[in-house]
Amino acid sequence: AQSVAQPEDQVNVAEGNPLTVKCTYSVSGNPYLFWYVQYPNRGLQFLLKYITGDNLVKGSYGFEAEFNKSQTSFHLKKPSALVSDSALYFCAVREWAMGGGSQGNLIFGKGTKLSVKP
Amino acid sequence: DTAVSQTPKYLVTQMGNDKSIKCEQNLGHDTMYWYKQDSKKFLKIMFSYNNKELIINETVPNRFSPKSPDKAHLNLHINSLELGDSAVYFCASSQQGVGSYEQYFGPGTRLTVT
Repeated sequence: AQSVAQPEDQVNVAEGNPLTVKCTYSVSGNPYLFWYVQYPNRGLQFLLKYITGDNLVKGSYGFEAEFNKSQTSFHLKKPSALVSDSALYFCAVREWAMGGGSQGNLIFGKGTKLSVKP
Repeated sequence: DTAVSQTPKYLVTQMGNDKSIKCEQNLGHDTMYWYKQDSKKFLKIMFSYNNKELIINETVPNRFSPKSPDKAHLNLHINSLELGDSAVYFCASSQQGVGSYEQYFGPGTRLTVT
């Protein structure tokens, strides 16, 4: 079964420190991976994606993620956290239909709450 | 110039009623989706739809039905609402093609069934 795991319910970081939000995946085809952020009472905002190419992907708001095929991981990182980064972060993988298919639903992890303290 | 919009933002209704949530995207995307986010913030796909194909998550009750009047709209109709339907429903859209696939989400509709 295709799935995404975010092992941490919450990550606490001091402002200015680097942050990492972990994600591992299991997928039957090529891994198309995504990170989204959700602020309170808001929709999900796309941060970045890995489809192919360089394993280090850069995205919005200074975030980046590293694709590691051998560890089936796609951890989200930022060198210096801001209080405004506090939000709920979702990792997602594109679901591949049996026998292929043109539509790709996203399978989401359960989310990790990031709390950045001043 | 909102990319994906939903109405209403909040919907409070009684059990047994029928309600609809509307979704519109102005991104020119060819595929639209409905997701349900439960009280624990878990997101689950309900439907995906383009002009050729509707894919329904088999766990979705048939009281839920998507209706697409055109490529830019995918509305969600719910019959005989139940308490367990209370959740936040998100519409999303994407362009299926090489190099894309990211989905853009609407602001959500918080449905409360009493």
